[in-house]
Amino acid sequence: GNSVTQMEGPVTLSEEAFLTINCTYTATGYPSLFWYVQYPGEGLQLLLKATKADDKGSNKGFEATYRKETTSFHLEKGSVQVSDSAVYFCALSIKAAGNKLTFGGGTRVLVKP
Amino acid sequence: DTAVSQTPKYLVTQMGNDKSIKCEQNLGHDTMYWYKQDSKKFLKIMFSYNNKELIINETVPNRFSPKSPDKAHLNLHINSLELGDSAVYFCASSQQGLPNYEQYFGPGTRLTVT
Repeated sequence: GNSVTQMEGPVTLSEEAFLTINCTYTATGYPSLFWYVQYPGEGLQLLLKATKADDKGSNKGFEATYRKETTSFHLEKGSVQVSDSAVYFCALSIKAAGNKLTFGGGTRVLVKP
Repeated sequence: DTAVSQTPKYLVTQMGNDKSIKCEQNLGHDTMYWYKQDSKKFLKIMFSYNNKELIINETVPNRFSPKSPDKAHLNLHINSLELGDSAVYFCASSQQGLPNYEQYFGPGTRLTVT
């Protein structure tokens, strides 16, 4: 079946530090890959996405590159802010599976001033 | 002009009761979903409807019954609530057929069963 594995948190950083959250996947077929963010007390928001190998998704200073050879989609940001404190979810979807999202377990990130 | 809305936001009830959660989207999407997020933040698909037709039904107890009166609404009815049903339930919608579709999520309904 399809699955997503991401690093467990919490990840605690100082402001302006570099953030990396690892994400690897297992899928039958050709998945689209996503990073969603959940701020405290809120629903999920799409942060970025990539739909084919070597695509790079980017948004709000975050980037992730679809690496088919390593089945990975690691999230990076060069300089985090306190406002980036949230739970980050890596996810995949496959059209043949009804486009349902399969999520990783989430990584809580806490950025301290 | 909320894109995906859910009611109620919070729901506290006792074991054995029956409750419903409502979801509406005003994005014109043809597909809607229910996800469950447990206390450890793990998210899992429950159901999906496309144009009022059930297309995804994961291994969810029969006590959970989704209903889609039209493509803009997807409600979730839960019978005989159990302690383990306590979770946050998220509704989402998307438009099938678009090459780079995106799922838009509602704010969630926090269900607490006592």
